[in-house]
Amino acid sequence: NAGVMQNPRHLVRRRGQEARLRCSPMKGHSHVYWYRQLPEEGLKFMVYLQKENIIDESGMPKERFSAEFPKEGPSILRIQQVVRGDSAAYFCASSPPAGTTEAFFGQGTRLTVV
Amino acid sequence: GESVGLHLPTLSVQEGDNSIINCAYSNSASDYFIWYKQESGKGPQFIIDIRSNMDKRQGQRVTVLLNKTVKHLSLQIAATQPGDSAVYFCAEKWRNFNKFYFGSGTKLNVKP
Repeated sequence: NAGVMQNPRHLVRRRGQEARLRCSPMKGHSHVYWYRQLPEEGLKFMVYLQKENIIDESGMPKERFSAEFPKEGPSILRIQQVVRGDSAAYFCASSPPAGTTEAFFGQGTRLTVV
Repeated sequence: GESVGLHLPTLSVQEGDNSIINCAYSNSASDYFIWYKQESGKGPQFIIDIRSNMDKRQGQRVTVLLNKTVKHLSLQIAATQPGDSAVYFCAEKWRNFNKFYFGSGTKLNVKP
């Protein structure tokens, strides 16, 4: 059973370009979370999704950021018109449909905006 | 609760000593708690969890203590090893919500 897969591991974008970060949850997991981490800081919640639904996006910036988790395929975190301040590590986690259980994390995508 | 962008506090211990990492959580209605370990350049890795109906849970070399009265969680690592050097985060899950809130983290530095 493969773990949570994120790709790419490293992504470099110029200011103004778009960044697409992908997350394939563990098999059987229908809940996906995205977190952002700046160097030497904690994990900041961005968005919580279930298949085809955004459950909680209270941590997402109002502009330029969007997330989806389609019926088929990975979850995508999309950042439009990136700025230097978007440079960070973005982590995805997944958990099973219900119950009290841990969330499993991917290895993250490190976005660098130049 | 959520990290607010503070730089990580650091705990330095000697190899072989016991380590205690503390965490204050935000919501008295939280019903599930997890400790994660994050090594440099990697994603957080599950260490141990505890449900709100318990006060203590032990794993291999690790013990988690939960004090609901003061909303405090601690992670004890016995006989700390250099491989334990990492950042440790506590996470809480609010009852009836399926979202995890992370504490700001503590950096553990084990000196050989």
